[in-house]
Amino acid sequence: AQSVAQPEDQVNVAEGNPLTVKCTYSVSGNPYLFWYVQYPNRGLQFLLKYITGDNLVKGSYGFEAEFNKSQTSFHLKKPSALVSDSALYFCAVGDKDTGRRALTFGSGTRLQVQP
Amino acid sequence: DAGVIQSPRHEVTEMGQEVTLRCKPISGHNSLFWYRQTMMRGLELLIYFNNNVPIDDSGMPEDRFSAKMPNASFSTLKIQPSEPRDSAVYFCASSHRQGAIGNQPQHFGDGTRLSIL
Repeated sequence: AQSVAQPEDQVNVAEGNPLTVKCTYSVSGNPYLFWYVQYPNRGLQFLLKYITGDNLVKGSYGFEAEFNKSQTSFHLKKPSALVSDSALYFCAVGDKDTGRRALTFGSGTRLQVQP
Repeated sequence: DAGVIQSPRHEVTEMGQEVTLRCKPISGHNSLFWYRQTMMRGLELLIYFNNNVPIDDSGMPEDRFSAKMPNASFSTLKIQPSEPRDSAVYFCASSHRQGAIGNQPQHFGDGTRLSIL
């Protein structure tokens, strides 16, 4: 079975400060990991993914995420937050080794960036 | 790229009525996913298709729900009869084949907001 946990329902950060949105995962094999963002009344939009290779993955809008196998984490980061980054963020995991399984999404973390 | 297109964007209907949600995936994508999003339960996978064939429908809540994909460019999710607890936002997403095993990103439509009175 695969699962993903986003321990924070909401993260508040001041504009210009660094932000981190946390994600931990559990898979029986090796993970594929994704971050998505959802703006109000819109579908989820792909931000970045980790498949293999470098543990630090860079994605859209200046976001990046670090894969940490020992801690089974894939935290989303950005060096300097913008008010426009305020949205709902989802982490998702897939399992490389179990064949035909769809992604499992976390419960989402609402990011609020204050001006 | 037109993106995933869902219709209608909003649907309000009375309990007991049949509801049909529609989805046009991105051309060339051959995996299609239906999700339901609520405040209480978050984002739930209902069913997904590869090459128009249903692969996993274990997330479909009950027999009132059915999904079809008659061709590569169209899918429907039907609820009959509908109940107030079916009220949610329903998303369709598509991806290249490897999306079914978690390799490729899924591209989401903007959803159908369904309200059952």
